[in-house]
Amino acid sequence: GENVEQHPSTLSVQEGDSAVIKCTYSDSASNYFPWYKQELGKRPQLIIDIRSNVGEKKDQRIAVTLNKTAKHFSLHITETQPEDSAVYFCAASTDFGNEKLTFGTGTRLTIIP
Amino acid sequence: NAGVTQTPKFQVLKTGQSMTLQCAQDMNHNSMYWYRQDPGMGLRLIYYSASEGTTDKGEVPNGYNVSRLNKREFSLRLESAAPSQTSVYFCASSEPDRNYGYTFGSGTRLTVV
Repeated sequence: GENVEQHPSTLSVQEGDSAVIKCTYSDSASNYFPWYKQELGKRPQLIIDIRSNVGEKKDQRIAVTLNKTAKHFSLHITETQPEDSAVYFCAASTDFGNEKLTFGTGTRLTIIP
Repeated sequence: NAGVTQTPKFQVLKTGQSMTLQCAQDMNHNSMYWYRQDPGMGLRLIYYSASEGTTDKGEVPNGYNVSRLNKREFSLRLESAAPSQTSVYFCASSEPDRNYGYTFGSGTRLTVV
């Protein structure tokens, strides 16, 4: 089955700086890669996703890049703000999300004011 | 529009007791999932249901059973609770081909003593 590794497990950045979280996957058939944000005590919520037929996707301060050859994808957050502090999870799935998601172990991002 | 509703929010069980976690969604989604979340281990799939009347094992199914009662409801049962089942449980739903990702419930924090 699919295995998703996520790094780093914790990340602290100064407010206004950029944050990057990286994930690798093992199943070359995976073609859908979402990112979820989970604030303390809350449910995970989808923030951005990418399909394998594109290499990059942006949504305001958030971007995701995908390297299919190397089987890794990354989340980039620019101009970080205190409300970006949360745990972020990457995930992978086959069949463009029509199959179950396999999640990474999460990154706790702390924005230092 | 409530999304995904889970009950109860908190539960303490004694070892050997049984209980059922309830999940219902009002988004007319076909797929539903049960995940458990443990510190440092991310979200691990227990069981999922791709459509009404079907269920399949995920990564960590031992000690659990599920019922897809109808399209809206997907319950998770612990027949004989063990301390290793202490965790936060999330139900989620999705609609294949819409590519909107998972919608998660608010979670159930279960402690087995």
